Amino acid sequence: SQKIEQNSEALNIQEGKTATLTCNYTNYSPAYLQWYRQDPGRGPVFLLLIRENEKEKRKERLKVTFDTTLKQSLFHITASQPADSATYLCALANYGGSQGNLIFGKGTKLSVKP
Amino acid sequence: ETGVTQTPRHLVMGMTNKKSLKCEQHLGHNAMYWYKQSAKKPLELMFVYNFKEQTENNSVPSRFSPECPNSSHLFLHLHTLQPEDSALYLCASSQDWGLGNEQFFGPGTRLTVL
Repeated sequence: SQKIEQNSEALNIQEGKTATLTCNYTNYSPAYLQWYRQDPGRGPVFLLLIRENEKEKRKERLKVTFDTTLKQSLFHITASQPADSATYLCALANYGGSQGNLIFGKGTKLSVKP
Repeated sequence: ETGVTQTPRHLVMGMTNKKSLKCEQHLGHNAMYWYKQSAKKPLELMFVYNFKEQTENNSVPSRFSPECPNSSHLFLHLHTLQPEDSALYLCASSQDWGLGNEQFFGPGTRLTVL
């Protein structure tokens, strides 16, 4: 069956450390992966997109990797801050008839402690 | 704000009521989406409209009825809902429906069905 899993439901880290979130997928052939941030009571906000032929993407303190052999994407936040506390969602777009549709993981709730 | 607005933000309704959720995007996008977000579950795509035409109905029960009168407005008409339909309903838009388009989400409508 097809699955997209974000391995940790919750992740607690100390301020200043690097947070690493994992997104694994099974039986998909994603054209690209996206990462979103969602704060309580609000809709998700787009952060980064990485395509299947890209290994790594960076934006300020954020870094995303994409390994199609391992079927995995890693999302890193360096020098984490309490303001980074939120739920982070990965989403993939699968090759096929509904290429415009995103398939989301359940999310990882990140808490950064001062 | 992201340029996507949703009203109402909160809605409580009985199982026999009829209500409508409204979404408006001010971004000039051509594609709009309805998602359902329940606790501990990933975002579930419900409907997709591209240039006002419905391109996706993800096996959604007929008690949910979408309407897209133009590419800026999207409605979700609700009737005879069940308590398990209680969830956060999110609207999103993207420039086009296709690979590589990030989605912009509204704040959501928190729906409670009694």
